[in-house]
Amino acid sequence: SQQGEEDPQALSIQEGENATMNCSYKTSINNLQWYRQNSGRGLVHLILIRSNEREKHSGRLRVTLDTSKKSSSLLITASRAADTASYFCATASGAGSYQLTFGKGTKLSVIP
Amino acid sequence: EAGVAQSPRYKIIEKRQSVAFWCNPISGHATLYWYQQILGQGPKLLIQFQNNGVVDDSQLPKDRFSAERLKGVDSTLKIQPAKLEDSAVYLCASSFSSSYNEQFFGPGTRLTVL
Repeated sequence: SQQGEEDPQALSIQEGENATMNCSYKTSINNLQWYRQNSGRGLVHLILIRSNEREKHSGRLRVTLDTSKKSSSLLITASRAADTASYFCATASGAGSYQLTFGKGTKLSVIP
Repeated sequence: EAGVAQSPRYKIIEKRQSVAFWCNPISGHATLYWYQQILGQGPKLLIQFQNNGVVDDSQLPKDRFSAERLKGVDSTLKIQPAKLEDSAVYLCASSFSSSYNEQFFGPGTRLTVL
């Protein structure tokens, strides 16, 4: 079963605009990660936020985590055509050996 | 640093045939994962290895799927016999350890079952 649910399922924006994607999950987590998948390619790790963190930045990416609402958001600022991809949140839970549970993803299209 | 290697990249078979996928993880990564990604969905974990031992195979359909990781390095995933619903991309990923959670993914094998 998939724990994370991304919203929206698809998003289309103009180059230079900001893109926000949301993820909701059901059970307690150790950390939450965001991955990007370009068409027909493998997944690339973007950022990891631990359950005791509220916000994290990496370049043009900003991730927030609200454990009370069991939700996270990924903000991509000043989007580029190369950001066109599917974005997945993945939750890690359990003790010791962690497994990732992925959501269905948000398909982002950045129009030049 | 070389990434996770997978082969073949594409495979087309008929139902009831057998198929095998190969994965070579990043050197030094103790943990290896196989995922199934059906079109339009996120990856679903099939099996996790720590070195050459199985950590979790609870979502592996064991009546038809098998996986091994001999010598704790390369791994193979086999489907025998294949069903139409097995059409998917099979992703291999590795991480330094099971508690260091960033996973590195290979390009995947796209399987089409006719």
